[in-house]
Amino acid sequence: DAGVIQSPRHEVTEMGQEVTLRCKPISGHDYLFWYRQTMMRGLELLIYFNNNVPIDDSGMPEDRFSAKMPNASFSTLKIQPSEPRDSAVYFCASSFGPSGRFNEQYFGPGTRLTVT
Amino acid sequence: AQTVTQSQPEMSVQEAETVTLSCTYDTSESDYYLFWYKQPPSRQMILVIRQEAYKQQNATENRFSVNFQKAAKSFSLKISDSQLGDAAMYFCAYRSDIIQGAQKLVFGQGTRLTINP
Repeated sequence: DAGVIQSPRHEVTEMGQEVTLRCKPISGHDYLFWYRQTMMRGLELLIYFNNNVPIDDSGMPEDRFSAKMPNASFSTLKIQPSEPRDSAVYFCASSFGPSGRFNEQYFGPGTRLTVT
Repeated sequence: AQTVTQSQPEMSVQEAETVTLSCTYDTSESDYYLFWYKQPPSRQMILVIRQEAYKQQNATENRFSVNFQKAAKSFSLKISDSQLGDAAMYFCAYRSDIIQGAQKLVFGQGTRLTINP
């Protein structure tokens, strides 16, 4: 398996522009997670989906952030409009299985976003 | 809400020696999972080891082992025979198992491990 695929790997954009990050989970996985990593806040969960349905979006910082999962093999995280404080590494992860099991989360390589 | 604390921002060890990274967590739950992830400079998150809270036996994976103290809410990682390739950021993480579907990981702030040749 190719693992979790994220694109782009690096994104540089100007403040006010729309940014779309993409993720392809591992085939067969039913959970998909979006995390953000910054020096100040560390790794924090933004949102996660189960069977394409958003389950917990309490980590989404504000209305400028939105995430979708139109099918089992694709998810997007959109920031509109972007701000310099959104600069971070954004990780997508996926896992399989019900509660009561390890359900290891497999992480993608991350997208480094820089907003100038 | 659960919290995870790694009190050592940086650690260093001589190659071939043993090092222990500390992690404490706060929870009111009895069923949960604990993990250690490694993040090398490539920034890829790699699972190192995992522990189920209901198991008293400490998990081991080759040179990596944990000291899980449930009552003390402590979950330290021991790396034996340190190798240059072990240099990375190490994150401790918690996942609940009480609530159906509560799959999210809560991470500590990380410990940067340096291996001295």
